Amino acid sequence: SAVISQKPSRDICQRGTSLTIQCQVDSQVTMMFWYRQQPGQSLTLIATANQGSEATYESGFVIDKFPISRPNLTFSTLTVSNMSPEDSSIYLCSVTGTRTGELFFGEGSRLTVL
Amino acid sequence: SQQGEEDPQALSIQEGENATMNCSYKTSINNLQWYRQNSGRGLVHLILIRSNEREKHSGRLRVTLDTSKKSSSLLITASRAADTASYFCATLTGANSKLTFGKGITLSVRP
Repeated sequence: SAVISQKPSRDICQRGTSLTIQCQVDSQVTMMFWYRQQPGQSLTLIATANQGSEATYESGFVIDKFPISRPNLTFSTLTVSNMSPEDSSIYLCSVTGTRTGELFFGEGSRLTVL
Repeated sequence: SQQGEEDPQALSIQEGENATMNCSYKTSINNLQWYRQNSGRGLVHLILIRSNEREKHSGRLRVTLDTSKKSSSLLITASRAADTASYFCATLTGANSKLTFGKGITLSVRP
């Protein structure tokens, strides 16, 4: 298993601003993902963070809104840009180091946009 | 799009009773996984069952998989108040090796 630390754990932001969420893993991992969980909802995959190249975004998510960096195999950031109240969600970093695809999650970053 | 659909959406039981949660999915899978999420926390992986397996046990957890019906069930035996959480099924398909999560089931275990 992997230990994943996310910062910040929660934040309250103003409309129109941007926030960067950090994800640090205690070991090198190949696959790293960012998910969004809107209030009372399931998880939706935003993108796969690729080390040394541009992230792979899922349908409905774009780089301008959710820029992602992954400078090495243990660290990634997700920025939520030009925020609106609809961006209020929990953002979760996850990793998989196994061929069966089981995921390990950080504790999440709870974002509230006013 | 949602692959897994759990039912019921919410379940309330007494401590000591068994809790059964069901998940249905639409396309062929490599494996199916169950996760737990305590309120305000990240998800924790509980158990994984491969497409060629029919039943698996882990402690108080029992998961079954029926690929002909495209369904799975998670049984928690002798439930405890600490089992109160949301439970999600997630499917891994070969096409993209990405997990797709269901909507989740809220389990409340009354002490």
